[in-house]
Amino acid sequence: AQSVTQPDIHITVSEGASLELRCNYSYGATPYLFWYVQSPGQGLQLLLKYFSGDTLVQGIKGFEAEFKRSQSSFNLRKPSVHWSDAAEYFCAVGAVDGNKLVFGAGTILRVKS
Amino acid sequence: GAVVSQHPSRVICKSGTSVKIECRSLDFQATTMFWYRQFPKQSLMLMATSNEGSKATYEQGVEKDKFLINHASLTLSTLTVTSAHPEDSSFYICSAFRPGFATYEQYFGPGTRLTVT
Repeated sequence: AQSVTQPDIHITVSEGASLELRCNYSYGATPYLFWYVQSPGQGLQLLLKYFSGDTLVQGIKGFEAEFKRSQSSFNLRKPSVHWSDAAEYFCAVGAVDGNKLVFGAGTILRVKS
Repeated sequence: GAVVSQHPSRVICKSGTSVKIECRSLDFQATTMFWYRQFPKQSLMLMATSNEGSKATYEQGVEKDKFLINHASLTLSTLTVTSAHPEDSSFYICSAFRPGFATYEQYFGPGTRLTVT
């Protein structure tokens, strides 16, 4: 079965610093990968997705992610973090059946000024 | 485009009563909608898959008689928590799958905070 691991529960970065959130997946074939962001008390917003093609994917709000098949990873990056980026970030992989998504546990990002 | 709404955003109900949560796709037709439950500081747990015009498919461990799902139209799915108890208090999020577009891509509603007293 598919699974997603986000090894970092919390990450704190300074405003203006770079950010990398880690995501590892388990899936036999080429995965469909997603990053979502959730602000407190809100639903999820899609940041970016990878289906095929270029392994470096650009998303909204200045985020990007790189698919590395050899490492089974899909890490999210941002070169300069803004205070408004503080939120929880979820990595997800498309499951085999029924267009379901399997989510990682999430990483809470704190931004310090 | 691809906006999903939920109503209500917050609801408080007394133990033993039922509460209905609506999930609507506002600008597209959703043949499939998903219902998730999220506990504080935890990830989303898929409860059920709702397909228009057919019975919902529940994930293992989810009580189908307690969490009634109806997907009567291509833009509306409802989740009814029957005989609610304090342990049902949670954040419920729906999502909609838009057919003909990107595989697996789901559009999420803003969530409903249920508190059972």
